[in-house]
Amino acid sequence: DTAVSQTPKYLVTQMGNDKSIKCEQNLGHDTMYWYKQDSKKFLKIMFSYNNKELIINETVPNRFSPKSPDKAHLNLHINSLELGDSAVYFCASSLRDRPYEQYFGPGTRLTVT
Amino acid sequence: AQSVTQPDIHITVSEGASLELRCNYSYGATPYLFWYVQSPGQGLQLLLKYFSGDTLVQGIKGFEAEFKRSQSSFNLRKPSVHWSDAAEYFCAVSPITGGGNKLTFGTGTQLKVEL
Repeated sequence: DTAVSQTPKYLVTQMGNDKSIKCEQNLGHDTMYWYKQDSKKFLKIMFSYNNKELIINETVPNRFSPKSPDKAHLNLHINSLELGDSAVYFCASSLRDRPYEQYFGPGTRLTVT
Repeated sequence: AQSVTQPDIHITVSEGASLELRCNYSYGATPYLFWYVQSPGQGLQLLLKYFSGDTLVQGIKGFEAEFKRSQSSFNLRKPSVHWSDAAEYFCAVSPITGGGNKLTFGTGTQLKVEL
């Protein structure tokens, strides 16, 4: 049973396109996160949602828009993709009162050509 | 601003040898401290965490880490490395109060294990 799942695993697209990455967790957690890992493996938080409410929004271009239809799902939509968006995007989840114990998904490798 | 430094980008050890991965943090007060492991093509898995109390913490897969307040360090150790330990290791910190749910990660140390 997959705890945190992401789709797709790989995404190759051209500049200017709009794409979405989906994340689902079946751990009963109420907080979810999106991280970006660049080519140098540096991992940085982008967003965090608790019960569908945005609680962390780091300095991320407006082209990135997270959407949480319910507390088990957190999707990431990216408009007008740029070359610099190429990275691995990780979804994670936790309980709100245990934010330090985050469970990560397998990642989505996005390549923008 | 808080930061995490992992001075070793790559480390190579022989199977069966001991391992120590270094981590230093910069923060106004002692934060929560973590080590995560990322196997190739996988997400991150929590190895161990330090909140307070005993400065030597045990984790999964035979790993342990020691918190040294005077050195602002939280080094990861394993007495005997197995080939399956080859992976990327990330140190991370989180504020005890404030800061929301934010984890700040170091840049990682890639561990290679020679057979």
